[in-house]
Amino acid sequence: AQSVAQPEDQVNVAEGNPLTVKCTYSVSGNPYLFWYVQYPNRGLQFLLKYITGDNLVKGSYGFEAEFNKSQTSFHLKKPSALVSDSALYFCAVRDDTGGFKTIFGAGTRLFVKA
Amino acid sequence: GAVVSQHPSRVICKSGTSVKIECRSLDFQATTMFWYRQFPKKSLMLMATSNEGSKATYEQGVEKDKFLINHASLTLSTLTVTSAHPEDSSFYICSARDISTEAFFGQGTRLTVV
Repeated sequence: AQSVAQPEDQVNVAEGNPLTVKCTYSVSGNPYLFWYVQYPNRGLQFLLKYITGDNLVKGSYGFEAEFNKSQTSFHLKKPSALVSDSALYFCAVRDDTGGFKTIFGAGTRLFVKA
Repeated sequence: GAVVSQHPSRVICKSGTSVKIECRSLDFQATTMFWYRQFPKKSLMLMATSNEGSKATYEQGVEKDKFLINHASLTLSTLTVTSAHPEDSSFYICSARDISTEAFFGQGTRLTVV
């Protein structure tokens, strides 16, 4: 069965500092990995995905994530945080067995202080 | 990216009534649509997967007679919450998949049952 863990409920970072939001996963097949961001009372916005290829994936708004197969991790990173990055971030996983069912982590709330 | 429109964005209904939420893929054909429910400050819980022209597949613990899903065309899926009760109040989000590996999300519907 697929599962996703986001070990941190909340991450606090000062504006201009680098940020990391952690994610680990478990799937039976090869993973498709995603990061989404959600602003209050809004749907999800796609940030980036890893399907295959380079382990470092670059996405929207300056975010990137690194796929680490040995550690089954897909941490979200940004070199310099902005106050406007404050939101709820979800890691998600789907396997390649064809079901296309996406499982989400519990979410991590990011607070960026000015 | 592709656009998924969800309507209404907010709805308030009386206990015991039914409410229908629509999910439309505006510029692509969605072979599969997914319905999620999000509790306050919680992650998205997959409720069901629907394929056009066939019955929806519900996740364990989701009452199919309570949450009726219809996927009558490649661009429209509906979720009807029947005989709604206050505990059904939640944020409901749909997503639609095209022929690629990516799913696109609607803006969500805030349901309040009074």
